[in-house]
Amino acid sequence: AQTVTQSQPEMSVQEAETVTLSCTYDTSESDYYLFWYKQPPSRQMILVIRQEAYKQQNATENRFSVNFQKAAKSFSLKISDSQLGDAAMYFCAYNGADKLIFGTGTRLQVFP
Amino acid sequence: KAGVTQTPRYLIKTRGQQVTLSCSPISGHRSVSWYQQTPGQGLQFLFEYFSETQRNKGNFPGRFSGRQFSNSRSEMNVSTLELGDSALYLCASSLAPTGSVMNTEAFFGQGTRLTVV
Repeated sequence: AQTVTQSQPEMSVQEAETVTLSCTYDTSESDYYLFWYKQPPSRQMILVIRQEAYKQQNATENRFSVNFQKAAKSFSLKISDSQLGDAAMYFCAYNGADKLIFGTGTRLQVFP
Repeated sequence: KAGVTQTPRYLIKTRGQQVTLSCSPISGHRSVSWYQQTPGQGLQFLFEYFSETQRNKGNFPGRFSGRQFSNSRSEMNVSTLELGDSALYLCASSLAPTGSVMNTEAFFGQGTRLTVV
């Protein structure tokens, strides 16, 4: 069975600084998607970034980028130039053959 | 276009009662998945529907059920409510079912906060 592990329950960063959130997963599938979702206090899950497993190039969306290491089954999220609005719960998720599996989340605090 | 709409946003029920939650997916999306989110268990997959058929089910008791209508709207029902059913229930819609190459992103609603007293 697939699993997703986020080992950092909480992280904090100073505004304008860079922070990296960690995620590892386990799977025997070769084709899958990986996602980072953000859940602000409004509770709505918002897609931050997506990575297709067959693509070697790391995905980038403005200030958000990932470090995807397929062999190591690692998928970390880097947030550059952190903003107060980045404060939220961040969930790493695996989308394989039959369902979307989430990690336990990392609460990110951003200090001015 | 309109996003995923979940109703109601908040609900308070008594133990033993039953509840029905509704989810209207994004127009054109035919796959709807449901998740239960609690502080202790995190986000747990309940079930996925595509074209009115349940494709996959998570590890929940039979008190949890769902269905999907021809317009892709979905409902989930929980019977004989227990205190432990208190949670945020999230619905997500996608163009295609999980595992399809067309399923590149799940769009989530704002959830229904269910409190069982």
